[in-house]
Amino acid sequence: EVLLVESGGGLVQTGGSLRLSCAASGFTFSSYWMSWVRQAPGKGLEWVANLKQDGIEKYYVDSVKGRFTVSRDNARNSLYLQMNGLRAEDTAVYFCAREGLIYDDSWGSYRPDAFDLWGQGTMVTVSS
Amino acid sequence: QLVLTQSPSASASLGASVKLTCTLSSGHTNDAIAWHQQRPEKGPRYLMRLNSDGSHSKGDGIPDRFSGSSSGAERYLTISSLQSEDEADYYCQTWGTGKVFGGGTKLTVL
Repeated sequence: EVLLVESGGGLVQTGGSLRLSCAASGFTFSSYWMSWVRQAPGKGLEWVANLKQDGIEKYYVDSVKGRFTVSRDNARNSLYLQMNGLRAEDTAVYFCAREGLIYDDSWGSYRPDAFDLWGQGTMVTVSS
Repeated sequence: QLVLTQSPSASASLGASVKLTCTLSSGHTNDAIAWHQQRPEKGPRYLMRLNSDGSHSKGDGIPDRFSGSSSGAERYLTISSLQSEDEADYYCQTWGTGKVFGGGTKLTVL
């Protein structure tokens, strides 16, 4: 079964740290870009960060730059999000998502596409 | 800056059809989008990728009742023969270096 399972959420104080994990199964994890997306209570979806297959090229939303770090371990089929300096506004359910692949004739290779697989999410609550 | 605009809510009767809209901001009217469904207290579920010409490819297991179409800057998700399980939030999404979501449409099945 193709699956993404997040873990590591919890209650943390303002300024604290937390490390989220996402375990992938049922597909070749190392072939895909992966993303973290969050959803504050009662709000919509917000992309947080993503990471290329090689674990080197990565991007972040401005609000988390310098505080969050995305990483992966392809041998363990796992994606991580290290969150430091947590703020109340980081309170949300965090989802990991797979970025689909589409063949681009002009590139002569596959490039990332829409999110085509989601996990069930893990809740992070930041409280003073 | 790319913005995706969705109506906050929609409603339709059981067994009827509904058409949800996602509008791309100026300069992005040729972009493809994806539609995702999020049922209450669940993670999102990928429905389909929708191109500017209206062609679309659906995710695994997505019923034929779900279809997509396009016109200019508008991207549509049509759900026919509405069922109670279709009551959910629907998000459009586009991608690039930064991923962008629309604000979501809450669909109520009456």
